[in-house]
Amino acid sequence: SQQGEEDPQALSIQEGENATMNCSYKTSINNLQWYRQNSGRGLVHLILIRSNEREKHSGRLRVTLDTSKKSSSLLITASRAADTASYFCATDARGGSYIPTFGRGTSLIVHP
Amino acid sequence: DTEVTQTPKHLVMGMTNKKSLKCEQHMGHRAMYWYKQKAKKPPELMFVYSYEKLSINESVPSRFSPECPNSSLLNLHLHALQPEDSALYLCASSQVLSHEQYFGPGTRLTVT
Repeated sequence: SQQGEEDPQALSIQEGENATMNCSYKTSINNLQWYRQNSGRGLVHLILIRSNEREKHSGRLRVTLDTSKKSSSLLITASRAADTASYFCATDARGGSYIPTFGRGTSLIVHP
Repeated sequence: DTEVTQTPKHLVMGMTNKKSLKCEQHMGHRAMYWYKQKAKKPPELMFVYSYEKLSINESVPSRFSPECPNSSLLNLHLHALQPEDSALYLCASSQVLSHEQYFGPGTRLTVT
């Protein structure tokens, strides 16, 4: 299965701290995406990083991709209570259908 | 308009009922998706339409029947569902298959 595996499954931090979550996958990919989901709602796309890219930034978000290790990390700097959500990585296998497969997610709680 | 809308927000139906979920986008996207999500689990892909043609059916039971009447609309017809089909049903769209997905808020379905 191409499904990514996020680590840790749950993360609890204080407001202002940085949060780092990781995603590992098994086969070569076209791109890797990170999504956020607030409780019981739809997913929001955060960042797409292509297989030939190593790092991307968007506001307080920084995503890295290491294709040799088949892993990616999402860093949220200066976290806020509003960042409390589940975070999913999604990968699509190179040579496949271009449909991303979602990992099991990391549940992040930011305490005010 | 960068929104995907889904109706209804909540649906309670008996096992003998027939109902439909509706999804709409006006972003000119040519790929649309149905996902099923159980609590604390990642979204599971059900169906994918690309250019209004069914592209992927992830071995979904026939009691779920998708329909794409035009490039902006996606329906999911439900018939003779089981209690285990209770879940959050998410619709998403993307410009084409390999691009980031925009999700609707979901329909919370309860089968009694």
